[in-house]
Amino acid sequence: DAGVTQSPTHLIKTRGQQVTLRCSPKSGHDTVSWYQQALGQGPQFIFQYYEEEERQRGNFPDRFSGHQFPNYSSELNVNALLLGDSALYLCASSDLYDLAKNIQYFGAGTRLSVL
Amino acid sequence: SQQGEEDPQALSIQEGENATMNCSYKTSINNLQWYRQNSGRGLVHLILIRSNEREKHSGRLRVTLDTSKKSSSLLITASRAADTASYFCATVQNAGGTSYGKLTFGQGTILTVHP
Repeated sequence: DAGVTQSPTHLIKTRGQQVTLRCSPKSGHDTVSWYQQALGQGPQFIFQYYEEEERQRGNFPDRFSGHQFPNYSSELNVNALLLGDSALYLCASSDLYDLAKNIQYFGAGTRLSVL
Repeated sequence: SQQGEEDPQALSIQEGENATMNCSYKTSINNLQWYRQNSGRGLVHLILIRSNEREKHSGRLRVTLDTSKKSSSLLITASRAADTASYFCATVQNAGGTSYGKLTFGQGTILTVHP
C-alpha cells in the first residue's frame, strides 16, 4: 500500500515564475492538506481540500492556490514566485475517521528553491 | 504563525540516555500531537494526547500535557542513534469541526543521539 507520494522531489525556479506541485494521498484517504516548511522552522498550514473543495485556509496570499481531483489527488500552485517561497512543501492526507483523530500521513515533500 | 515554542532547540545525548523535549502553546486546544522528521523529509506521527488527558505512553515514548500551563513534554527513554531527528509538537485548536486537520506546529527540537 503506497503512502503519500509527492512530485517532483526537487524543483528550481526563478522569481516571478509559476510552479505546480503534486500529491497523491494514501490509498483510502479523501482529505489532503498542504504545509510550507521554511528551513529551520516548523511546517505552516497552507490549506486543506476535501471533496474537491478548499475547506480551510491558513494565512497565505492568493498566490497560493490548489485543486483536488475526483481521485483525491491534489495540486498546489504558486504564482509570481518570491525568494521567500523557497521551502519544503509537504502534503498530508487523511480520511474522515482519522481526521476525527487528526492523524495525518505526510509525504516526503517537494523542496522548492527560488533563485 | 507558529503556535508556540519548543525547548530546547537542540539536544545532544548519548545512546541509552533519556531525552526530554518541551512544547508550549498559546490557545485552547482539542489535542496535541508529536511528530518526528528525519533530515528535512516527511513527518511521521508519533503520539496524540487529547486535552482531557494528562499522560500517555507508546513504547519508549511518554507524553504529558498540562492545559493549565499550556505545555507538553515528550520523553524518549533509552534513546538510540536511530532516534536522531527533529521532533515537532503540533496542536489542533478547540474550534469545533472546522478545526479538524489544521495542525499548528512548533519550531521543533533537533535531537542528536551519539552511539
